[in-house]
Amino acid sequence: GAVVSQHPSWVICKSGTSVKIECRSLDFQATTMFWYRQFPKQSLMLMATSNEGSKATYEQGVEKDKFLINHASLTLSTLTVTSAHPEDSSFYICSARPRLAGFQETQYFGPGTRLLVL
Amino acid sequence: GQNIDQPTEMTATEGAIVQINCTYQTSGFNGLFWYQQHAGEAPTFLSYNVLDGLEEKGRFSSFLSRSKGYSYLLLKELQMKDSASYLCAVRGGGYKLSFGAGTTVTVRA
Repeated sequence: GAVVSQHPSWVICKSGTSVKIECRSLDFQATTMFWYRQFPKQSLMLMATSNEGSKATYEQGVEKDKFLINHASLTLSTLTVTSAHPEDSSFYICSARPRLAGFQETQYFGPGTRLLVL
Repeated sequence: GQNIDQPTEMTATEGAIVQINCTYQTSGFNGLFWYQQHAGEAPTFLSYNVLDGLEEKGRFSSFLSRSKGYSYLLLKELQMKDSASYLCAVRGGGYKLSFGAGTTVTVRA
């Protein structure tokens, strides 16, 4: 149980285009999903917290107009990188917290999406 | 703010024991997690500590001292497949996790 999927797993795009990444909780409902970015040999940096039915909460320094987050249902959150540039190339990982999670329950991570902007 | 420190790299031989330390200074504390991450993959959950003491799970154990802002992950009977990055993460308010930079463990035959 507690499986999170991401699509696509790999994407290569041209500079200036937009890319949408989907994060789905396959066997549980998640009121809260998190989006992280990880550069090579660095740790995960939280970009934003996505709450079902409401606006995402962005971390300091993350441009909300560039990284659009939509959490339209209890099993799906999307991250759209608008007008992507080479510096946006990174490994994007989502995680989901089950709706009925106990206090000790962790977030469950998706397999990640590797974005390369040419 | 959150400040989480852990060593960058550690090397050990197969069958040995390795201890990865993590110190933290955070605003708010609702538990500490350890994750394993293989290159190019997402992190997988290893352990959770919210009270002081040792939690043991097979070959992996994790310890927490809240008063010292300190935790360690102990890996016993190392296997080649344990070569990975180990991430220490602190949960603050709102269930957000703040991650350390990760410790790359290399297991040699």
